[in-house]
Amino acid sequence: AQRVTQPEKLLSVFKGAPVELKCNYSYSGSPELFWYVQYSRQRLQLLLRHISRESIKGFTADLNKGETSFHLKKPFAQEEDSAMYYCALSVPLGGYQKVTFGIGTKLQVIP
Amino acid sequence: DAGVTQSPTHLIKTRGQQVTLRCSPKSGHDTVSWYQQALGQGPQFIFQYYEEEERQRGNFPDRFSGHQFPNYSSELNVNALLLGDSALYLCASSLWTEQQETQYFGPGTRLLVL
Repeated sequence: AQRVTQPEKLLSVFKGAPVELKCNYSYSGSPELFWYVQYSRQRLQLLLRHISRESIKGFTADLNKGETSFHLKKPFAQEEDSAMYYCALSVPLGGYQKVTFGIGTKLQVIP
Repeated sequence: DAGVTQSPTHLIKTRGQQVTLRCSPKSGHDTVSWYQQALGQGPQFIFQYYEEEERQRGNFPDRFSGHQFPNYSSELNVNALLLGDSALYLCASSLWTEQQETQYFGPGTRLLVL
């Protein structure tokens, strides 16, 4: 079965410090991986997906198939980055895409 | 475009009751997925609707059922409510032909079962 693991429920960093939110997945095929973000009192929204190889709001994430990881990184944290971050895995299943979310990591950027 | 909308925003029910939650997808989207997000957890997939049919289902009992209308809007019904059904229920819309694309989420309906 597919699984997404986010080992840290809370990550606190100081403003200007580097950020790394960890995500590991279990899936033997070629996955689609996403990071979603939920700011306070806002809806869940896509931050980035590995296939597009974009950098959004300074965040990047590289898919490491050998380590089955998709860690989210930012070199310099900003206060507005404080939010809940969810890693998600999408796999083909019988013609459909099955999406599995991790439990989320709360990022707290300390001024 | 208001994006994905859900109603109501909040709901309080008692055990044993039934509840119906509603979702309107983003303009142009034809597929609706429902998720349950318990406190401190990530969203858990309930089921997905396309062309008014349930296309796939997560590990949820038959008490959870749904419907999709010709205008692509959708309802989630939960019968015989349990305390453990208290959660945020999220609706997400997408395009069936672009399943690798992102889903757009609604603001959710917070259900409290007493």
